[in-house]
Amino acid sequence: AQTVTQSQPEMSVQEAETVTLSCTYDTSESNYYLFWYKQPPSRQMILVIRQEAYKQQNATENRFSVNFQKAAKSFSLKISDSQLGDTAMYFCAFMKPGGLNDMRFGAGTRLTVKP
Amino acid sequence: DTEVTQTPKHLVMGMTNKKSLKCEQHMGHRAMYWYKQKAKKPPELMFVYSYEKLSINESVPSRFSPECPNSSLLNLHLHALQPEDSALYLCASSHRLAGASGELFFGEGSRLTVL
Repeated sequence: AQTVTQSQPEMSVQEAETVTLSCTYDTSESNYYLFWYKQPPSRQMILVIRQEAYKQQNATENRFSVNFQKAAKSFSLKISDSQLGDTAMYFCAFMKPGGLNDMRFGAGTRLTVKP
Repeated sequence: DTEVTQTPKHLVMGMTNKKSLKCEQHMGHRAMYWYKQKAKKPPELMFVYSYEKLSINESVPSRFSPECPNSSLLNLHLHALQPEDSALYLCASSHRLAGASGELFFGEGSRLTVL
């Protein structure tokens, strides 16, 4: 079974600064997907960024980027130029391709961006 | 704007009531999901439907009864619930095609309170 671990229950960052959220996972699969989802207080889960394990290049989406270390089974999210709207719960998630798409989530990190 | 629509947004019910949660998507996705989320916790997978057939049931009590009438609709029928079933119930959908990214698209959720 796959497990996803987020070891930082809460983090805070000053507006315009950079913050990194950590995620590790455990799997015996060689190919899989990793995701970061954001859940603001309005509660809808929104995809932030996605990484396919067979791609060596780290994914980037505007101010969001990941550091994917496959051998270390690490998948951290870097948020640059933090904005107040980035305040939310961030969940790291794992999914095997080709299966029943049962996505598994880490415990989450509550990020607060301070003005 | 969300492309997965859940109704109702809020539901209060007694332990003897029968109610239903509804979910609808028009993205042509053939996989649909129910997740349960308690406060400050990650979503927990309950059910997965693939091509309108129940593919995963994560040992959910029978007081929760899912139904997928067609590829666009997903229902969760509730009967004889317990107060500990109070939670946010999230519906999601995804492509079910080989090579698809696996991304889940979430609705805003239905906040259930069992008295």
